[in-house]
Amino acid sequence: SYELTQPLSVSVALGQTARITCGGNNIGSKNVHWYQQKPGQAPVLVIYRDSNRPSGIPERFSGSNSGNTATLTISRAQAGDEADYYCQVWDSSTAWHVVFGGGTKLTVL
Amino acid sequence: EVQLVESGGGLVKPGGSLRLSCAASGFTFSSYSMNWVRQAPGKGLEWVSSISSSSSYIYYADSVKGRFTISRDNAKNSLYLQMNSLRAEDTAVYYCAREEGTVTTGPYDDYWGQGTLVTVSS
Repeated sequence: SYELTQPLSVSVALGQTARITCGGNNIGSKNVHWYQQKPGQAPVLVIYRDSNRPSGIPERFSGSNSGNTATLTISRAQAGDEADYYCQVWDSSTAWHVVFGGGTKLTVL
Repeated sequence: EVQLVESGGGLVKPGGSLRLSCAASGFTFSSYSMNWVRQAPGKGLEWVSSISSSSSYIYYADSVKGRFTISRDNAKNSLYLQMNSLRAEDTAVYYCAREEGTVTTGPYDDYWGQGTLVTVSS
């Protein structure tokens, strides 16, 4: 089965750039999506198909995907960006297709 | 405005059953595949089941296959999850989510409900 690996936690200073990685075998050949989840709230889509932002998501959020690593980049990090972030792909080699990463807790210092 | 509202969660004993519902509004429900995703307390997201717009394609995670049944009623703009033979490990918040995209581009969930809590305990 296909697996996605995320760091458990990432810390960033206020106003600096945070990078959250999502590792997977040849993940660059897949479309990667990213979700933000704040405590007690439902997940929110922040990046789809590697680098596209849904309407309402700040330009500070961007994504890239190449080789075995996809990356969510949050520029000029704000206190409100503190949340859990999950990557997700659709993988035809698994019977159930939908795969989530384990999630990364972003702390803004 | 797209809205997804789950209901039907609650406390159930191991081996029991529960039926979750998700009421959709603000979009053409019959045009979209829908998903159930769950999150155990303090854990990450786990995809549970998917159903295509016309119910032609249905998928389940191995962890629920044979025990859970996903269905939909496009006339009522509603999504359902029938959960049987519940186990303690099924305890989670269950979210319904609208699926966007295609298998070619890789589907994703662009709208999520607020979730309903299912607790399996004696």
